[in-house]
Amino acid sequence: GESVGLHLPTLSVQEGDNSIINCAYSNSASDYFIWYKQESGKGPQFIIDIRSNMDKRQGQRVTVLLNKTVKHLSLQIAATQPGDSAVYFCAENKLVFGAGTILRVKS
Amino acid sequence: NAGVMQNPRHLVRRRGQEARLRCSPMKGHSHVYWYRQLPEEGLKFMVYLQKENIIDESGMPKERFSAEFPKEGPSILRIQQVVRGDSAAYFCASSHKGNTEAFFGQGTRLTVV
Repeated sequence: GESVGLHLPTLSVQEGDNSIINCAYSNSASDYFIWYKQESGKGPQFIIDIRSNMDKRQGQRVTVLLNKTVKHLSLQIAATQPGDSAVYFCAENKLVFGAGTILRVKS
Repeated sequence: NAGVMQNPRHLVRRRGQEARLRCSPMKGHSHVYWYRQLPEEGLKFMVYLQKENIIDESGMPKERFSAEFPKEGPSILRIQQVVRGDSAAYFCASSHKGNTEAFFGQGTRLTVV
């Protein structure tokens, strides 16, 4: 069936650097995408969403980019902080999730 | 406005018993999603419900698992005759309507002994 997948299982970045987490999706009919952050032992926390009529959306320190041509989604985190260390998931319509990317921030 | 509430947070069951997991959505939310998560793995979609209706249960095992979201009260995920392989964290999320921001509960960690 349709699925959402992530390219990089683990990403290590230096504190203060920018982070980019990527996600590929296969359902070309998807029109809504969400990024979630999950810290150890907790439920996923909403970060940012984007609809298919947009290609970019910015939040506080985060930006989501959507490329419908290649069915690719990315989450950019500016000035990464230790508190950003978590697993990041992208999800599409009806909240179908990919496997997740572990982000580790080195101080 | 309380968030999504799941209970219990931890549940231990012996093989063959029944597990009942509860999810109270955020106030005003009529859409509920259930997920299963194994350690170090992603969230596996199980079922999507609206009040009194199952919209999509494509991720639910055909046997032993069932879900409901009655007109009144929480959504229930029920696992009959649990086996060790059912041990996992079960999360629910709720949203006001489909394809909108959904909020997650803290999960129920089921351990089958």
